[in-house]
Amino acid sequence: DTEVTQTPKHLVMGMTNKKSLKCEQHMGHRAMYWYKQKAKKPPELMFVYSYEKLSINESVPSRFSPECPNSSLLNLHLHALQPEDSALYLCASSQDRVPTNEQFFGPGTRLTVL
Amino acid sequence: GENVEQHPSTLSVQEGDSAVIKCTYSDSASNYFPWYKQELGKRPQLIIDIRSNVGEKKDQRIAVTLNKTAKHFSLHITETQPEDSAVYFCAASSRLSGNQFYFGTGTSLTVIP
Repeated sequence: DTEVTQTPKHLVMGMTNKKSLKCEQHMGHRAMYWYKQKAKKPPELMFVYSYEKLSINESVPSRFSPECPNSSLLNLHLHALQPEDSALYLCASSQDRVPTNEQFFGPGTRLTVL
Repeated sequence: GENVEQHPSTLSVQEGDSAVIKCTYSDSASNYFPWYKQELGKRPQLIIDIRSNVGEKKDQRIAVTLNKTAKHFSLHITETQPEDSAVYFCAASSRLSGNQFYFGTGTSLTVIP
């Protein structure tokens, strides 16, 4: 399996809802990433997990809470989001955090906050 | 931290012509430079990458050149086809950044049939 998968593909939620995004890879990669992408903009890094430990948190608001239950899974828990949080949320993975390793992106979750 | 600039932001070419997208970076420690293509509604996909010990790399109609002294790298697409239409992002990363990718702002390429 050489893909990163993400569920759900689309998510619509109200500002008081709690939801979770899920990402999975079975390539044996030990680094996993969450990005936020607005239309026609580059992906913005949110979190990096390396060997299941959070290693980078790019000053993301606490209404976004990442979790890495094991080396294949990455979750992003969402609570009390704002309409401006509507975006494409991309997960990526790489073999590890050696800088010359390609990051493989998942298809993303299109999130709409009402 | 690293700062990556990308130009142009939009580019239209006739089918069969060449397209060139340029990026500059600020951190001399950056040593990996991937290029991603993102079609509308799809995931970014790596199309070519180059490491700092190499000056040029080719893969069929796509090539990337790197000038470490000037801190810039470029994507060249020859014989463009309509399916090349997409947004292209360059990125840079280094050991110091722990493989954190610093992306350029993107180039929207349109190939006119």
